[in-house]
Amino acid sequence: EAQVTQNPRYLITVTGKKLTVTCSQNMNHEYMSWYRQDPGLGLRQIYYSMNVEVTDKGDVPEGYKVSRKEKRNFPLILESPSPNQTSLYFCASSPFDSLSYEQYFGPGTRLTVT
Amino acid sequence: AQTVTQSQPEMSVQEAETVTLSCTYDTSESDYYLFWYKQPPSRQMILVIRQEAYKQQNATENRFSVNFQKAAKSFSLKISDSQLGDAAMYFCAYRGNAGGTSYGKLTFGQGTILTVHP
Repeated sequence: EAQVTQNPRYLITVTGKKLTVTCSQNMNHEYMSWYRQDPGLGLRQIYYSMNVEVTDKGDVPEGYKVSRKEKRNFPLILESPSPNQTSLYFCASSPFDSLSYEQYFGPGTRLTVT
Repeated sequence: AQTVTQSQPEMSVQEAETVTLSCTYDTSESDYYLFWYKQPPSRQMILVIRQEAYKQQNATENRFSVNFQKAAKSFSLKISDSQLGDAAMYFCAYRGNAGGTSYGKLTFGQGTILTVHP
């Protein structure tokens, strides 16, 4: 089944404790992206990657890191989480061609930083 | 930078009736894509409908249709014969075409919560 998976689905952590949210897709998509969803703000892009070893900042990159060592994986790293990073996080992927613009979303990760 | 605005935080409709959700956007690009996503309580993001800006014909998908007004930069979603399962948060989103500065990135509106009354 074609899908984007994220782990963990739920995470409660404390301020300053490094964490990684994994994202993996099995559709051989070139493009991958991370979004955060906050009430009243919709989804905002954190980082994106056009292909392996190519990443760039989105609208709200502060406090986050990413890496793209393999085509299928795009982990999101919070090296020193703070309470303002409490949010719902989505990973998404899409093929990098002009015929298909749909982004496939993972199930979301609910992160709480206390 | 592109912006997307949904001015209706909440909407409600009676089952079997029709409801329209509003969306406006701002861009300097001439070619782009617009989407409506549905987010039910499960939080999964589900693509409802897509519109290519170069197409004048409004997109339709069964009970869902859009009213795309390119000059006015308006992209509303009409849901006909509303069903209880349509209750969800709906997001309007913009994506630029290949070669544009916003290619690959989805810019979302704030979302509209739709309630369907039996």
